[in-house]
Amino acid sequence: DVKVTQSSRYLVKRTGEKVFLECVQDMDHENMFWYRQDPGLGLRLIYFSYDVKMKEKGDIPEGYSVSREKKERFSLILESASTNQTSMYLCASTLTGIANEQYFGPGTRLTVT
Amino acid sequence: GENVEQHPSTLSVQEGDSAVIKCTYSDSASNYFPWYKQELGKRPQLIIDIRSNVGEKKDQRIAVTLNKTAKHFSLHITETQPEDSAVYFCAASIGISNAGKSTFGDGTTLTVKP
Repeated sequence: DVKVTQSSRYLVKRTGEKVFLECVQDMDHENMFWYRQDPGLGLRLIYFSYDVKMKEKGDIPEGYSVSREKKERFSLILESASTNQTSMYLCASTLTGIANEQYFGPGTRLTVT
Repeated sequence: GENVEQHPSTLSVQEGDSAVIKCTYSDSASNYFPWYKQELGKRPQLIIDIRSNVGEKKDQRIAVTLNKTAKHFSLHITETQPEDSAVYFCAASIGISNAGKSTFGDGTTLTVKP
């Protein structure tokens, strides 16, 4: 059974703080993704990675960066948190192939005050 | 890039009725169309998917249809039950050429009234 875990379920940070969200998957998936989920806006892709040290911008990368030093771990970094980054953050992973489902983590509810 | 539109945004049905959610996509290269269900407070999970070489797929009470010419696909849930209440997301993916990246619709909140 694929397991995707995220470092925190709930996080409260202050404006301007540097925030790290971590995602770990245990199924040797090549591809990992970070989304943010806001009501009525679906799942918006922030960044994704298709290999260690490789990353590509998604649809809304502004204000975020990522790091993938090991295959199983993908980190999302908010360099200077702002209130408009208050959201639910979901990590996902998938195998490389013709078509494969994404396996999601439980999500981190981040509040920036 | 790919654009996926999903309708309706909310759907309320009586238990036992059918529910249909529709999605359109823009990139004719998309070849994989999954549907995810997200129950309140939980992570999205795949419930059914369809590949571009198939027109319809069924799994018990749920089915998905795909019309590649018109670039739309639909989720059909029959004999709805209260536990079907959730947010449903459609997605489109080009698959292997794009690291498995999917573009998601905005979601449909389905409420099944007992």
